[in-house]
Amino acid sequence: KAGVTQTPRYLIKTRGQQVTLSCSPISGHRSVSWYQQTPGQGLQFLFEYFSETQRNKGNFPGRFSGRQFSNSRSEMNVSTLELGDSALYLCASSLIRGSTDTQYFGPGTRLTVL
Amino acid sequence: AQKITQTQPGMFVQEKEAVTLDCTYDTSDPSYGLFWYKQPSSGEMIFLIYQGSYDQQNATEGRYSLNFQKARKSANLVISASQLGDSAMYFCAMREGRLFSGNQFYFGTGTSLTVIP
Repeated sequence: KAGVTQTPRYLIKTRGQQVTLSCSPISGHRSVSWYQQTPGQGLQFLFEYFSETQRNKGNFPGRFSGRQFSNSRSEMNVSTLELGDSALYLCASSLIRGSTDTQYFGPGTRLTVL
Repeated sequence: AQKITQTQPGMFVQEKEAVTLDCTYDTSDPSYGLFWYKQPSSGEMIFLIYQGSYDQQNATEGRYSLNFQKARKSANLVISASQLGDSAMYFCAMREGRLFSGNQFYFGTGTSLTVIP
């Protein structure tokens, strides 16, 4: 079974631009979560989607948004990029949302904002 | 209060020795899952081991075992016979059960493990 895939793997943007990152979960998985990881702030939760609905949201400004499609694929969008948005963005999927459901991560998208 | 606490920012271990990475958690939910992940320098988070709150036995997966002490709310990861390839960042995580509508994954700040030849 294929793992979680994320595209693109690397991205360079300039301040003020917007970016869309894509995540395809493991086949059959319905929950997708997004995380931002930076050396200074560590791993921070962005949001979680399940059955096309946002179930949880972290403490990020409205510039960060996401969505999930009927096939469970998810996208996250960052508008009006700032230098501080440079980070590794990780996507993770799990079967459903129970306490026994392991999250499996994709390889991440490394975003650099110049 | 922090849901997951990892108090060891960095650890060193000699190759072939065992090492314990500490993790304490905080929850009022009787149903929860505890997870450990490894993140090498490449960046990908690799799932290592899972322990459920109702599991009577400590979880084991190859050289990894989880020392689960429910009353103390601790879930330490033990790596036996360390290898050079074990050098990485290790994250402890928890997911609560259905009593709470959120039940997102909570991650600790991580422990950087370096295996010395």
